[in-house]
Amino acid sequence: AQRVTQPEKLLSVFKGAPVELKCNYSYSGSPELFWYVQYSRQRLQLLLRHISRESIKGFTADLNKGETSFHLKKPFAQEEDSAMYYCALSGRTSGTYKYIFGTGTRLKVLA
Amino acid sequence: DVKVTQSSRYLVKRTGEKVFLECVQDMDHENMFWYRQDPGLGLRLIYFSYDVKMKEKGDIPEGYSVSREKKERFSLILESASTNQTSMYLCASSLMDTEAFFGQGTRLTVV
Repeated sequence: AQRVTQPEKLLSVFKGAPVELKCNYSYSGSPELFWYVQYSRQRLQLLLRHISRESIKGFTADLNKGETSFHLKKPFAQEEDSAMYYCALSGRTSGTYKYIFGTGTRLKVLA
Repeated sequence: DVKVTQSSRYLVKRTGEKVFLECVQDMDHENMFWYRQDPGLGLRLIYFSYDVKMKEKGDIPEGYSVSREKKERFSLILESASTNQTSMYLCASSLMDTEAFFGQGTRLTVV
């Protein structure tokens, strides 16, 4: 079954420390993978997607097909990075299209 | 430049009422989705639609139905609202395997 797993519900780091938000997926095929972010009182929005290989707001994510992981990383956390982060995948399997999300990780960056 | 609009930010309904949540997008996307967002459970897919009058069940369709009579509009219907359907409901739209654009959410309380 298709699944996105984010093992941490809450991650607290100090400003300037490195951040890694974990994401593992289960999918029979080649999915598209995404990270979404939801800042306080704002709508959910795309942070980055694996196919673009961009660095957005200092965040990067590498797709590791062997480990079926798509961890989100940033070398130096900023207070404005505090938000809810969701990993997601989309793709078609068994004739059905899916766009599914993980349970989310709340990142708190402490001053 | 709001692209996905949900008809209500907050709704309070009584148990047993029929509830309609409306979503409109102006990007000519073929895919539209309804999720519910609950703390610790992330975003769970209720239904999605990949074309007018086409729909597929997501992971938690029980107690819900949907309607898509026009490409830009996707409605979520709670046939007989129950207290366990109190939640934040998010609508999204996308092209295939691309960024999903979200509405601002509807916080539904069933009393």
